[in-house]
Amino acid sequence: EVQLVESGGGLVQPGRSLRLSCTASGFIFRDYTLSWVRQGPGKGLEWLGYIRSEIYGGTEYAASVKGRFRISREDSKSIAYLQMNRLETEDTAVYYCVRGNSMARPGAYSYYYMDVWGKGTTVNVS
Amino acid sequence: DIQMTQSPSSLSASVGDRVTISCRASQDIVKYLNWYQQRPGEAPKLLIYAASTLQSGVPSRFSGRGTGTHLTLTIDNLQPEDSATYYCQQSFGTPYTFGQGTKLEIK
Repeated sequence: EVQLVESGGGLVQPGRSLRLSCTASGFIFRDYTLSWVRQGPGKGLEWLGYIRSEIYGGTEYAASVKGRFRISREDSKSIAYLQMNRLETEDTAVYYCVRGNSMARPGAYSYYYMDVWGKGTTVNVS
Repeated sequence: DIQMTQSPSSLSASVGDRVTISCRASQDIVKYLNWYQQRPGEAPKLLIYAASTLQSGVPSRFSGRGTGTHLTLTIDNLQPEDSATYYCQQSFGTPYTFGQGTKLEIK
């Protein structure tokens, strides 16, 4: 079964750091982009950033977390990480790890979509 | 950043009805648009990608249309399990952005 399981959430004080983990199973982890998406209490979805597959490499971040959050991966263990520094109360949310997939579009940029979601881990900054 | 605006923010419909949710982008996103369903207490689930391609396992009563700046999600023959919040998301460029969500209630 294709699965993503987040861990590492909890209660943390403002200004402190926290590292979330995302453990994958059921697919070839190194071949996929991995995103992190969060959802504040009663709010919508916010894409935080992604780390590309081994072949393409590199990361992209949303402006709201760039410079504070860092995404990394250990393909040998099928784990992705979200390192969160200088946490703020506004970072309180459920954090989802999400697999990215793509469909080729001839002569143009591939269609990218997020097809497998973990159940999420809750971070409470207080 | 590309802004995504959904309408309506919420709606109520009956079993068997057809509903359409609109998603407008602040710039042309061609067909780089995905739709997700989120039931209460659950993680989002991919319904449609590339504006109109149904994700495997999703019932055919879900359909997506449109291109450019105005795209839609239609649900035919509404079922009780369709009660959820629906989000559109553009993948034309990073940062990927979501609409604010449309909450669908089944009467």
